[in-house]
Amino acid sequence: GAVVSQHPSWVICKSGTSVKIECRSLDFQATTMFWYRQFPKQSLMLMATSNEGSKATYEQGVEKDKFLINHASLTLSTLTVTSAHPEDSSFYICSARTRGSNNEQFFGPGTRLTVL
Amino acid sequence: AQKVTQAQTEISVVEKEDVTLDCVYETRDTTYYLFWYKQPPSGELVFLIRRNSFDEQNEISGRYSWNFQKSTSSFNFTITASQVVDSAVYFCALRDSNYQLIWGAGTKLIIKP
Repeated sequence: GAVVSQHPSWVICKSGTSVKIECRSLDFQATTMFWYRQFPKQSLMLMATSNEGSKATYEQGVEKDKFLINHASLTLSTLTVTSAHPEDSSFYICSARTRGSNNEQFFGPGTRLTVL
Repeated sequence: AQKVTQAQTEISVVEKEDVTLDCVYETRDTTYYLFWYKQPPSGELVFLIRRNSFDEQNEISGRYSWNFQKSTSSFNFTITASQVVDSAVYFCALRDSNYQLIWGAGTKLIIKP
């Protein structure tokens, strides 16, 4: 149980386009979803926390207009990178936290974004 | 301040050697959780262990063992008889009272055949 999927697993796009990444909890309801960004050879950096039905809380330095997060249901959150530029190229990982169960976070497999 | 330090950026050993990955943490909380994750080249994080602050018993799972020492704020991870498949980046993390994970910088482990 406790499986989180991400789609797509990788994406290559042209500069200026927008890219949407989906994060789904497949077999549980997630009260909260987290979005992380990971640069090569670096640790995970929390970008934002989203609760179902409410606005996401962004970490300091993360542009909310650049990285749009929508947590539409208890099983789906989306991250849209708007007007992507090469510096947005990164590995994006989502995680979902369960109701109860010690508030455990379960991680998706990640999405590798390359902006040309 | 809440912080996790993994001082070893990269470790390289020959297969079958034992290797220990260090993790030192700082927290104001009296109740907290510590984690270890493995990130192979594919990028997907693999959960290895969770330990709560009240349980200082060391844990062994196959070739993996963990040594939790509150007195030194350390949660070290040892792989016995390492194998090439153990090559990955390993992250130590602390979950704070807001349920957010604070990550160490990671240690890249290279196991040479």
